[in-house]
Order: sequence, then C-alpha cells, then structure tokens
Amino acid sequence: LAKTTQPISMDSYEGQEVNITCSHNNIATNDYITWYQQFPSQGPRFIIQGYKTKVTNEVASLFIPADRKSSTLSLPRVSLSDTAVYYCLVGPSYGGATNKLIFGTGTLLAVQP
Amino acid sequence: ETGVTQTPRHLVMGMTNKKSLKCEQHLGHNAMYWYKQSAKKPLELMFVYSLEERVENNSVPSRFSPECPNSSHLFLHLHTLQPEDSALYLCASSQGLDINNEQFFGPGTRLTVL
Repeated sequence: LAKTTQPISMDSYEGQEVNITCSHNNIATNDYITWYQQFPSQGPRFIIQGYKTKVTNEVASLFIPADRKSSTLSLPRVSLSDTAVYYCLVGPSYGGATNKLIFGTGTLLAVQP
Repeated sequence: ETGVTQTPRHLVMGMTNKKSLKCEQHLGHNAMYWYKQSAKKPLELMFVYSLEERVENNSVPSRFSPECPNSSHLFLHLHTLQPEDSALYLCASSQGLDINNEQFFGPGTRLTVL
C-alpha cells in the first residue's frame, strides 16, 4: 500500500474551516484515498473516500489534485466535537484484494473554543 | 452506534489466564477484522475473515487465537498473554473485502495484562 505522510497535529478554533493535507507520492493507478476519524477510546469511523477531483458529503470534502500525489480533507466550521485523530489511507480497489487498511499515526486535530 | 458490538469493554487479566473477546455485527456483512491499538502506536491489523474463512494473519503470536463461527460473530481467544499485549482491541466489519467497502468499527475492548 502507498505510504502516506500527514502532520502529527493541528490546532484550530471553533467555527473555522480546517484543511488536513496528506501526501502519497507513490500512489498507484488503482488506489483510492480514504479518510477515517477516531475519537479517544473508540474505533475509527469512515469519513470520506475519493479517487480524483473533489468529493463532498454531509461531513467533509476531499480535494484530490490531478497528479493524485496528495489529498486534502476539508472540515467546514469545526466544533469542539471534531477534536479527534484523522487518518489518511491509500489502497487498491480490485476484486479479490484483501481490505487491508494500513493506519499511520494520523493527525490529531485539537479544536479550541 | 455502528452496528458492531464488542464485549467486554474492559478486561484485566493475569499472564496465566485464558479469556475471550467477543465481537458481533448486526449489519449483514461478510468480512470481519481484528485490530490492535497500543498506546501512541498506529492501529495494527491482526486477522481478517471473509465468509468465516481466515484470509489474513499478520504474523500474530499464537497466544492470540481467532474464531469466526459465522459471519456475524468473531472471537479472539487469549492465552498466556504478556504485559506488552495491553492495548485497545478493535473489531470491524465490512460488506466485502474490497477497499471501497467501508469498515465499521466496534467500540473496542480495553485489555490490561498484569
């Protein structure tokens, strides 16, 4: 699986937009980009997944440039409850492949009042 | 609530004890996973089951023994553990093995080995 690099931590204030960028320079053609969120003492929770350009859902947006060597998770108007660790994962999607999520250290987002 | 439950939520055991962790998913998924999360370390995938068959075993010590009697239940049997095995053990499930299939995680079992 493609190795990912993301900041260890970020700070923000309530109401701000937060952008977390992940680098995946050796992403393969059939790799997808997936983001998970984890609160303390809980399991990770899927946020969003994309392949290219932009994906948006009710929680976040995911921006992927044309070369796909990085991606940016955008959280609009964060609140205190968005304080969590955010993981960027990259992996292939093809029939028969084992869904092996390789989690890195993630980005700890701390939202201040 | 993710549709994946784990029991117990907390477990303290001695190195000579035998205990089991239980995971149940109510989502109709056919793949289930065990992960280990130690303090200040990334999640580590331990085992993957698809349709009750083990498809992945990431060099996990034999003192951890998984069991998947049906597609809704997954167990992790623990025997003669070491203090360094203390961690949060997470179970997850997904509709299929393809990475496009979102994994749903349970709340985890916090294990302490004395």
